Amino acid sequence: ETGVTQTPRHLVMGMTNKKSLKCEQHLGHNAMYWYKQSAKKPLELMFVYSLEERVENNSVPSRFSPECPNSSHLFLHLHTLQPEDSALYLCASSQDGRGTGELFFGEGSRLTVL
Amino acid sequence: GQQLNQSPQSMFIQEGEDVSMNCTSSSIFNTWLWYKQDPGEGPVLLIALYKAGELTSNGRLTAQFGITRKDSFLNISASIPSDVGIYFCAGTFGGNNRKLIWGLGTSLAVNP
Repeated sequence: ETGVTQTPRHLVMGMTNKKSLKCEQHLGHNAMYWYKQSAKKPLELMFVYSLEERVENNSVPSRFSPECPNSSHLFLHLHTLQPEDSALYLCASSQDGRGTGELFFGEGSRLTVL
Repeated sequence: GQQLNQSPQSMFIQEGEDVSMNCTSSSIFNTWLWYKQDPGEGPVLLIALYKAGELTSNGRLTAQFGITRKDSFLNISASIPSDVGIYFCAGTFGGNNRKLIWGLGTSLAVNP
């Protein structure tokens, strides 16, 4: 198993759909992250979970809803998205949530909102 | 908010050439990190730097944490085609080390 796996790799959805992105890490890490990557913008941190507790929420719209049922799994539930939400969504994990910056990323889920 | 200035934005070089890119900030940073992102993949950590003046190598890659703590550079020696990708700098500053600040990336193309 690779370190951090994300599914689906590609997702196309309408603005009224509900979908979820899934992330699983096989590294025994205690912290997991959701990032949004858009063209010509720096990586944007969305959510951080440390030991399954949400420790950061960077003013993300409520149409994005994270869920961390255990330290190995992280979900991002999507509903009533907007076209500007189209982006690459990256999941990452780290040993702990202290934020040393050493992150292990998944391959990303490319989201297109029509 | 805090921003990192990464340059150059893109580079097109011949195989075998050396490459240099850098990142600067207006604030003092506690850590500097360099990541590489291949097409269709997530970023992969190349080098992490934790002390001012620190010089660290990873194969043909060398990175340094600037003495002023406001800059860092990454050098790639004797480039090869698989060096193609986007290189990102990132850093943490202040008391909130949980949040990384990212540069916009340097896109590297290597002509065989």
